[in-house]
Amino acid sequence: DGGITQSPKYLFRKEGQNVTLSCEQNLNHDAMYWYRQDPGQGLRLIYYSQIVNDFQKGDIAEGYSVSREKKESFPLTVTSAQKNPTAFYLCASSSDHQVSEAFFGQGTRLTVV
Amino acid sequence: AQSVAQPEDQVNVAEGNPLTVKCTYSVSGNPYLFWYVQYPNRGLQFLLKYITGDNLVKGSYGFEAEFNKSQTSFHLKKPSALVSDSALYFCAVRVGNSGGYQKVTFGTGTKLQVIP
Repeated sequence: DGGITQSPKYLFRKEGQNVTLSCEQNLNHDAMYWYRQDPGQGLRLIYYSQIVNDFQKGDIAEGYSVSREKKESFPLTVTSAQKNPTAFYLCASSSDHQVSEAFFGQGTRLTVV
Repeated sequence: AQSVAQPEDQVNVAEGNPLTVKCTYSVSGNPYLFWYVQYPNRGLQFLLKYITGDNLVKGSYGFEAEFNKSQTSFHLKKPSALVSDSALYFCAVRVGNSGGYQKVTFGTGTKLQVIP
């Protein structure tokens, strides 16, 4: 089945630790995205990548980092510099065309303990 | 700057009644508009989109939406609500017919509660 897979579904992190969220897609999509979802705030764009080995900051990139070494993979690292990391993180992909809708993963809920 | 407004945090409707979830937008240029649905602790699922052409767009699960350029709206509708339609609905917009990457802006979401 074609789709986009995020892992893990739930993640707990101690303050001061970096943690990496996985995102893999087998849809052959060029574009991939990371969003953060907080209650009442909708989705906010963290990073996006339109092509392998290239990525751009979104609206709330501070405290986060990404890589795009393979077309299928777009991992997100939440660093200790992110002051309020507890949130629901969504990865998405789309074909690189403006009319294309996004396909979303099932999300990772990160909790800082 | 582009924006999307979903003026209702929650919409309650009785099962079998028609439902409407409202969305208005603001963009500089032609809008491409999308509706997504999110069930608890899940990712978003695409419902429908307006790119060009007929103002009435039909999508998944019996949903439809009407693009109204003069009112800058793209309300989501369904003739007869089901309990299983209860979920969080997001409207999104991006500028069309432009070069390069165009950001997608999401609304804050509307929780739909269908009452049996």
